[in-house]
Amino acid sequence: GAGVSQSPSNKVTEKGKDVELRCDPISGHTALYWYRQSLGQGLEFLIYFQGNSAPDKSGLPSDRFSAERTGGSVSTLTIQRTQQEDSAVYLCASSPKMTDRGPYEQYFGPGTRLTVT
Amino acid sequence: AQTVTQSQPEMSVQEAETVTLSCTYDTSENNYYLFWYKQPPSRQMILVIRQEAYKQQNATENRFSVNFQKAAKSFSLKISDSQLGDTAMYFCAFMNSQGAQKLVFGQGTRLTINP
Repeated sequence: GAGVSQSPSNKVTEKGKDVELRCDPISGHTALYWYRQSLGQGLEFLIYFQGNSAPDKSGLPSDRFSAERTGGSVSTLTIQRTQQEDSAVYLCASSPKMTDRGPYEQYFGPGTRLTVT
Repeated sequence: AQTVTQSQPEMSVQEAETVTLSCTYDTSENNYYLFWYKQPPSRQMILVIRQEAYKQQNATENRFSVNFQKAAKSFSLKISDSQLGDTAMYFCAFMNSQGAQKLVFGQGTRLTINP
């Protein structure tokens, strides 16, 4: 079946512009995660969705970052007034709901490489 | 907060050799999960192996096995009979059993398998 898809694959934007990154999770997966991978900070958690709600958004680095998920499926990560330090690969992952047997694997998308010039 | 440390930024071995990647972590939790992910140049993160903290037996997946030492908070990955396709970044990751089940990653080890 189809895996997690992300678009665009690469995005170059000018400092100060807004960008939207899209994630299509695996059908039926209720949990969705956004992570950021940058040279200086490594891989870091940004936000977690369970269905359409975001019970943990503790990793969002500033109020310029926001995310939403609609219909329990597609998620959009929005970065307003982009800065050069926002340049990174943004990874999305989805997983089925956790059971009492432990967490399911998080399936990752190929990421969006964002470059802010 | 949990932290994960991978002390080997880069490693290089010959094809068919065995290689061990190190990982240590810090947590006050008793129940949690540990993972090794592989990231080839395609950027796609691929799960290699997982370990539940409550299990004493070390996890094994074909050529991949772990040495889980709970008291020492150590979780190393051993790759046997290494292949050229094993060349990738390898990330150790920690997940709490409660809450968001988000992954906390180490800084990664770049592994190169030479022909």
